[in-house]
Amino acid sequence: GENVEQHPSTLSVQEGDSAVIKCTYSDSASNYFPWYKQELGKRPQLIIDIRSNVGEKKDQRIAVTLNKTAKHFSLHITETQPEDSAVYFCAADSGGYQKVTFGTGTKLQVIP
Amino acid sequence: DAGITQSPRYKITETGRQVTLMCHQTWSHSYMFWYRQDLGHGLRLIYYSAAADITDKGEVPDGYVVSRSKTENFPLTLESATRSQTSVYFCASTNVRDRAYGYTFGSGTRLTVV
Repeated sequence: GENVEQHPSTLSVQEGDSAVIKCTYSDSASNYFPWYKQELGKRPQLIIDIRSNVGEKKDQRIAVTLNKTAKHFSLHITETQPEDSAVYFCAADSGGYQKVTFGTGTKLQVIP
Repeated sequence: DAGITQSPRYKITETGRQVTLMCHQTWSHSYMFWYRQDLGHGLRLIYYSAAADITDKGEVPDGYVVSRSKTENFPLTLESATRSQTSVYFCASTNVRDRAYGYTFGSGTRLTVV
């Protein structure tokens, strides 16, 4: 089955700096890659996603890149703010039953 | 948002007891899922359902039972709770067949088995 590895497990950055979280996947059939943000004590929420026919997608300060050949995708947060502090999960989805696999999460801390 | 709700938010139960976690969504989403979240493991799929009366096992189904008699409800039952089932449980739903639009999660149930 699919295996998604996520790095780093924790990340501390100064406010205003950029943060990058990286994920790799194993199943070449995966074609959809969502990212979720989970604030402390709350539910995971979808923040951005990318499909396999696109190499990059941006939404304000957040961007995701996908390298299908290397089977890795990354989340980039620019101009980080304290409210970006949360746990971020990547996932890989090939669209079939039980084909969504989540990474183990990255705890991002933005230091004011 | 209130479209998918879980109850209870917190539950303490004793080893060996049966406990049911409820999940209700108001969007008529066809797909529903149960995940458990444990430190170091991320989110792991317990069971999922593609429609009413259609359910199947996920990655970690042992010790759990689900049912889906109505589209909007997807309860998860721990038949005989064990301490290893102490976790945070999230229900999720989506309506697109290939799920290429992400999930909406409920607020979670924190279950402690003592």
